[in-house]
Amino acid sequence: ETGVTQTPRHLVMGMTNKKSLKCEQHLGHNAMYWYKQSAKKPLELMFVYNFKEQTENNSVPSRFSPECPNSSHLFLHLHTLQPEDSALYLCASSQDGTGESFSYNEQFFGPGTRLTVL
Amino acid sequence: GQNIDQPTEMTATEGAIVQINCTYQTSGFNGLFWYQQHAGEAPTFLSYNVLDGLEEKGRFSSFLSRSKGYSYLLLKELQMKDSASYLCAVSDSNYQLIWGAGTKLIIKP
Repeated sequence: ETGVTQTPRHLVMGMTNKKSLKCEQHLGHNAMYWYKQSAKKPLELMFVYNFKEQTENNSVPSRFSPECPNSSHLFLHLHTLQPEDSALYLCASSQDGTGESFSYNEQFFGPGTRLTVL
Repeated sequence: GQNIDQPTEMTATEGAIVQINCTYQTSGFNGLFWYQQHAGEAPTFLSYNVLDGLEEKGRFSSFLSRSKGYSYLLLKELQMKDSASYLCAVSDSNYQLIWGAGTKLIIKP
């Protein structure tokens, strides 16, 4: 595998289900991100992990719970979602040069998980 | 607030030239990115501008004017495979990316 991979590619779930999205990056990067992409809307940054530490949490509802066990893997745990949470969930990674101040570098995206909440 | 504006959709003819504009208002500026996203696929990096002027990379060029809060992506010799969404994103003072909603480019034969 190369680049950034995400599983599953498609997911349909009921509002009472619990599921998890998985992201893995094979680029040796130290920062990983979760984004939500809805039709005709800008990408919404949900969570950022830098050196496995969560550095951003953009007021995301608690029904979304991230987990970053190491710098290569990122999970998004989902429970009691709402139909408006249906969207494409994208994972990305980048190499942060400093490790302290968050200097920006190009982000590499995975193919996304198309989530439908019934 | 922070805002990125770009047209929702554009149509162009194969072989022609198209310019996709992006205007921004952000708290700080640490560079502007253009990404390409084909339907059902991941966004892929096209260009990065942090200084004013034109950056050329093959058929694609990107321009930046920081004083005007303005950028454009220029695509020459359009090919059918260029049909995609083009995303403009600005790195703000916290190095967080602020994204536009994307411009869907339709190429007609």
